[in-house]
Amino acid sequence: GAGVSQTPSNKVTEKGKYVELRCDPISGHTALYWYRQSLGQGPEFLIYFQGTGAADDSGLPNDRFFAVRPEGSVSTLKIQRTERGDSAVYLCASSLTGGGTDTQYFGPGTRLTVL
Amino acid sequence: QKEVEQNSGPLSVPEGAIASLNCTYSDRGSQSFFWYRQYSGKSPELIMSIYSNGDQEDGRFTAQLNKASQYVSLLIRDSQPSDSATYLCAVTLFSGGYNKLIFGAGTRLAVHP
Repeated sequence: GAGVSQTPSNKVTEKGKYVELRCDPISGHTALYWYRQSLGQGPEFLIYFQGTGAADDSGLPNDRFFAVRPEGSVSTLKIQRTERGDSAVYLCASSLTGGGTDTQYFGPGTRLTVL
Repeated sequence: QKEVEQNSGPLSVPEGAIASLNCTYSDRGSQSFFWYRQYSGKSPELIMSIYSNGDQEDGRFTAQLNKASQYVSLLIRDSQPSDSATYLCAVTLFSGGYNKLIFGAGTRLAVHP
């Protein structure tokens, strides 16, 4: 597709369960970012991939959160032992090279609700 | 102090008026500045980027940057009800060997007919 896609669009899970969120970036974009957005807040940085490697994972809140991008394209954000506080919209963005003037293009997001 | 600060609003303007949205940032080393528009329930969409002091115009939108004052603004001329959205200011912060994008909390704009 032409844009960033994310699946699922909505995910409802129970506290303690494991979830996986998928991001398919724009073809050819080497940089991929995950953000989390809570109601009334701007997107909060989680992790940045350059190619297959996580160049910066300093935004991951704790070790329950993990992300991979094994072939340098699709990325999966994994959350173990989900907590109610993990409920938010998880946004993925990609950019061509990751340079400072690059435009980051956002996907539609996955709304995660932890009951 | 937050790295990027915006007034949360709502900023209410009548249709046809100029809407002025403001943003301040804390890192003097920031090089790139962006305004994203976010409709309710949707993802952010880039509407303006600016990299040097002065004004950058695109249609009804003008971004203004003053690095000395660490201030970025967005002017929307001839505001339309369809401009009603949350406007996110984002600034790059050089950290960990690359430019990280840091967002403000957004200003909610309401344009009433």
